[in-house]
Amino acid sequence: AQSVTQLGSHVSVSEGALVLLRCNYSSSVPPYLFWYVQYPNQGLQLLLKYTSAATLVKGINGFEAEFKKSETSFHLTKPSAHMSDAAEYFCAVKTSGGSYIPTFGRGTSLIVHP
Amino acid sequence: EAGVTQSPTHLIKTRGQQATLRCSPISGHTSVYWYQQALGLGLQFLLWYDEGEERNRGNFPPRFSGRQFPNYSSELNVNALELEDSALYLCASSLLAGGNSPLHFGNGTRLTVT
Repeated sequence: AQSVTQLGSHVSVSEGALVLLRCNYSSSVPPYLFWYVQYPNQGLQLLLKYTSAATLVKGINGFEAEFKKSETSFHLTKPSAHMSDAAEYFCAVKTSGGSYIPTFGRGTSLIVHP
Repeated sequence: EAGVTQSPTHLIKTRGQQATLRCSPISGHTSVYWYQQALGLGLQFLLWYDEGEERNRGNFPPRFSGRQFPNYSSELNVNALELEDSALYLCASSLLAGGNSPLHFGNGTRLTVT
């Protein structure tokens, strides 16, 4: 079985501040992990993915995430928030135990204040 | 490269009617996934098709069904519509079903049941 928990349904930051979106997963086998972003009235777009090649993964738009096996976490960060980063962010896990069907977290809405 | 396309963009139906949603995957992708995104519930897995066969389905009643055509496009049918079926239905395609291959999403079909 696999599951994903995203802590905080809403995160609010000021423009230029650090962005930290939390994701914890549960899996009995090595996971593949993903972060997606969803802008209003659009589908999800891949930000980055963890594939076991490196624990620190860099994605698009200046985002990165670090895989920590001991903490079963895959938190998403960005050093300096832009107004254009305001969107819904989803963490997803995919494993052989879940038949390779991605399971998504409930999402975190990022609000950026000027 | 054309992305995943879904039609129609919006669909309004009355309770008890049937709805048909369509999806064309990225060229070369054989796996198609359907997810339901209802307000506040994140993405719920509906169906997975690969090489023309239904490979797995989520915890939804049988009135949710679909198929995949020889050209790998897919159709989602929802019979006997209920008010709670109102949601954004997202289709995604993947190059490979397993491993770290990410999903590529369309912009969704917004289904409203009145």
